[in-house]
Amino acid sequence: DAGITQSPRHKVTETGTPVTLRCHQTENHRYMYWYRQDPGHGLRLIHYSYGVKDTDKGEVSDGYSVSRSKTEDFLLTLESATSSQTSVYFCAITRAISSYNEQFFGPGTRLTVL
Amino acid sequence: AQKVTQAQTEISVVEKEDVTLDCVYETRDTTYYLFWYKQPPSGELVFLIRRNSFDEQNEISGRYSWNFQKSTSSFNFTITASQVVDSAVYFCALSINAGNMLTFGGGTRLMVKP
Repeated sequence: DAGITQSPRHKVTETGTPVTLRCHQTENHRYMYWYRQDPGHGLRLIHYSYGVKDTDKGEVSDGYSVSRSKTEDFLLTLESATSSQTSVYFCAITRAISSYNEQFFGPGTRLTVL
Repeated sequence: AQKVTQAQTEISVVEKEDVTLDCVYETRDTTYYLFWYKQPPSGELVFLIRRNSFDEQNEISGRYSWNFQKSTSSFNFTITASQVVDSAVYFCALSINAGNMLTFGGGTRLMVKP
């Protein structure tokens, strides 16, 4: 357990509405990530953060924005949700173990956009 | 850019059979890290193993074993004497940043029937 929580765990929303997903960690890790999981695609990186107010785009960042104003919280925002953003969203942190980094994942948020 | 291919989308075996999950990767980097994750029906992602590109030793952990071959860019995962509890989606992943920013394969769904 890497002390990662995600909220909400489930959400149903309508096309065009804004949505914010929250990832919270309790262990002061520097790196945090947002992935989306879709059948056949595995997990794909949306955005990541390497510190407070330091973020960068991943592979599938279009339509998403992120913010990190505190070390423990990493927010993912869909400004205007679309049906193609229906997915399971996972937050992750990187924990340094010896000379390696391992990623640990939160429990996921299932988002449905109608 | 990195790429991970898991050609087997779904495998079905009968309990006690051995099963091998294939993973082929592409990267131009000479230093990289390979991972396997398990996603049981409950949905969480469970870390199984990490390998570094400079360590081609195969690894065995109980009924699980991993075969890393740089010559064929493969990192295959074998479950010996499969059990129903092994039923899950298995993901292979690659990182060129010591474990940060993973590139995932599409996943293989393993169904073990009693």
